[in-house]
Amino acid sequence: QQQVKQSPQSLIVQKGGISIINCAYENTAFDYFPWYQQFPGKGPALLIAIRPDVSEKKEGRFTISFNKSAKQFSLHIMDSQPGDSATYFCAASYNQGGKLIFGQGTELSVKP
Amino acid sequence: DAGITQSPRHKVTETGTPVTLRCHQTENHRYMYWYRQDPGHGLRLIHYSYGVKDTDKGEVSDGYSVSRSKTEDFLLTLESATSSQTSVYFCAISDNGRSYEQYFGPGTRLTVT
Repeated sequence: QQQVKQSPQSLIVQKGGISIINCAYENTAFDYFPWYQQFPGKGPALLIAIRPDVSEKKEGRFTISFNKSAKQFSLHIMDSQPGDSATYFCAASYNQGGKLIFGQGTELSVKP
Repeated sequence: DAGITQSPRHKVTETGTPVTLRCHQTENHRYMYWYRQDPGHGLRLIHYSYGVKDTDKGEVSDGYSVSRSKTEDFLLTLESATSSQTSVYFCAISDNGRSYEQYFGPGTRLTVT
């Protein structure tokens, strides 16, 4: 079963626009919610992460918004740039055992 | 970049043959993971290791086995490859206290014909 559901599957945004990717989870035992960025031909790399007791975390142009009651979280990319074009994965972690459950991924294309 | 290498980087094999993929790290991290990446499925955990000789199954472990005889090496074996195992395989590592922060290798593209 898919414990982390991600949408949309693909996203096209104009340069300077806001990119928004959404995720929903089921298991309340998850204790960290990271986002990973993957460029073609490369392995994923951690972008930003949030704990469930925090509603928002911002790092530069990237912001995670977290809604614990709705079991949803989202990634906002402000002032999107062509260099942000990549596949983005949300994930949820169980600290015990160190496992990550990934969403299906969103392919973002930022048009100049 | 974290010191993770995967070998081979590309492999084409025939159905029914055994295949072993290798992951090597120089970071001395405790946890090591094998994932497969397929379109529409994201990354799915195959097996992981929490120490030498300590391994456990992930969500898609059928048809795969692993071994970890040294901290730095984690092997993934397909005992008898099938076409459904055509995929990109990623190894990842993480430190003891930050399991959500995993460092990924460059991947191995495996094609089973």
